[in-house]
Amino acid sequence: GAGVSQSPSNKVTEKGKDVELRCDPISGHTALYWYRQSLGQGLEFLIYFQGNSAPDKSGLPSDRFSAERTGGSVSTLTIQRTQQEDSAVYLCASRPGQGRFEQYFGPGTRLTVT
Amino acid sequence: GIQVEQSPPDLILQEGANSTLRCNFSDSVNNLQWFHQNPWGQLINLFYIPSGTKQNGRLSATTVATERYSLLYISSSQTTDSGVYFCSNTNAGKSTFGDGTTLTVKP
Repeated sequence: GAGVSQSPSNKVTEKGKDVELRCDPISGHTALYWYRQSLGQGLEFLIYFQGNSAPDKSGLPSDRFSAERTGGSVSTLTIQRTQQEDSAVYLCASRPGQGRFEQYFGPGTRLTVT
Repeated sequence: GIQVEQSPPDLILQEGANSTLRCNFSDSVNNLQWFHQNPWGQLINLFYIPSGTKQNGRLSATTVATERYSLLYISSSQTTDSGVYFCSNTNAGKSTFGDGTTLTVKP
């Protein structure tokens, strides 16, 4: 079946602009994660959605970052007034829920802020 | 929060050699996964292994939850095994990743 997809695959934006990154999870997966990976670094947790529960936003680095998940499926990560330090690969993952905890990752969006 | 320490940070092998990668956790291990990030950046699931031992071809993994560590074994390494190996633990929904082990397998 189809895996996790993300769009765009690459995004170049000017400092100060807003960007939206999209994630389509695996169909039927109830949990969805966003992570950030800077060059040569590990994964930094950003936000976690589980079903209809309130999301865990504890990893968002500033109030310029927000995320939504509509209809329990597609998610959008929005970064307002982008800064150069926001440049990174943004990764989305989904997992089945229902007592299953393995995560499946999308290919990521590479964001470059100039 | 939970700390995840991976070792070694870097590993260079000759093709055909075996290796062991380790993950130590500062807190309870509940839902441990091993991933391989290939040179194109894609994270690929290797194992979901909260406890015990699993094997998949040349790879196997063991998690000793009571001692808060997990091991990933790679036997008869191939150049395609190169990349970064991450472990992560998920607790109450939130996941914590180690900094990874960068493996280079030379032909």
